[in-house]
Amino acid sequence: GEDVEQSLFLSVREGDSSVINCTYTDSSSTYLYWYKQEPGAGLQLLTYIFSNMDMKQDQRLTVLLNKKDKHLSLRIADTQTGDSAIYFCAEKGAGGFKTIFGAGTRLFVKA
Amino acid sequence: NAGVTQTPKFRILKIGQSMTLQCTQDMNHNYMYWYRQDPGMGLKLIYYSVGAGITDKGEVPNGYNVSRSTTEDFPLRLELAAPSQTSVYFCASSQTDSNQPQHFGDGTRLSIL
Repeated sequence: GEDVEQSLFLSVREGDSSVINCTYTDSSSTYLYWYKQEPGAGLQLLTYIFSNMDMKQDQRLTVLLNKKDKHLSLRIADTQTGDSAIYFCAEKGAGGFKTIFGAGTRLFVKA
Repeated sequence: NAGVTQTPKFRILKIGQSMTLQCTQDMNHNYMYWYRQDPGMGLKLIYYSVGAGITDKGEVPNGYNVSRSTTEDFPLRLELAAPSQTSVYFCASSQTDSNQPQHFGDGTRLSIL
C-alpha cells in the first residue's frame, strides 16, 4: 500500500529555522498536508499544498514540494518554543477521501 | 465552535470488558473516520464512513465495530478489550469535496489492563 515516511526527531535552537522532511510513494497524490499535534491534543491542520504547486508560503511556514522525487518539506522560520510539537505529513490520492499519515516528527526547540 | 468532540478523554478498562468511544461533529461533514495512534507510529485507520448508514473497514478493524445512524455521530465499539488495544483513539471528519482536510477531535486515551 501507499506509504509516507518522516524522520522521528528534530532538535533546533530557538530563533533558528526548522526543516521537517517527508517522502511519499503515491504517485497519484493530489493534496499533501502538514498537521501539528501538541501534547494531549488532536491533530490541527497547519497548511496544505496541491500537487501541481511547488511552493506555498504562509507567514513563518514554507512548504516545498518536489513531485518528481515525491518529497515534501516544511520550513518553520524563527522557530519558537511554542512550535515544539509533533508534525505529521499526510497525503491524499486522486479521487479519494482517505488520507495516509506519516509517523510524525517530534520537534524539540531549545531555548 | 465545537468541531469534533470525543468522549471520554481517558479510560482504563480491564481485559475482556467492552466500551463505546463517542464521537460527534457539528460541521455537517459526510465523511467520518476513526484512527488509532500508537507511540512512534502514524495514524492507523480503523473504520470510516461516507455518510449516515454507510461504514467500511480501514487498515486495522479487528476487535472494533462502528455504526453511523446520523450524520453527526460515529461511535466506535470495543468488544472484549485486549491489551493490544491500548492506544490513543482519534475521530476525524471531513467535507465531501476531496480537497478538504480532515478535522480531528482531541482523542481518547485508552488503557487495557
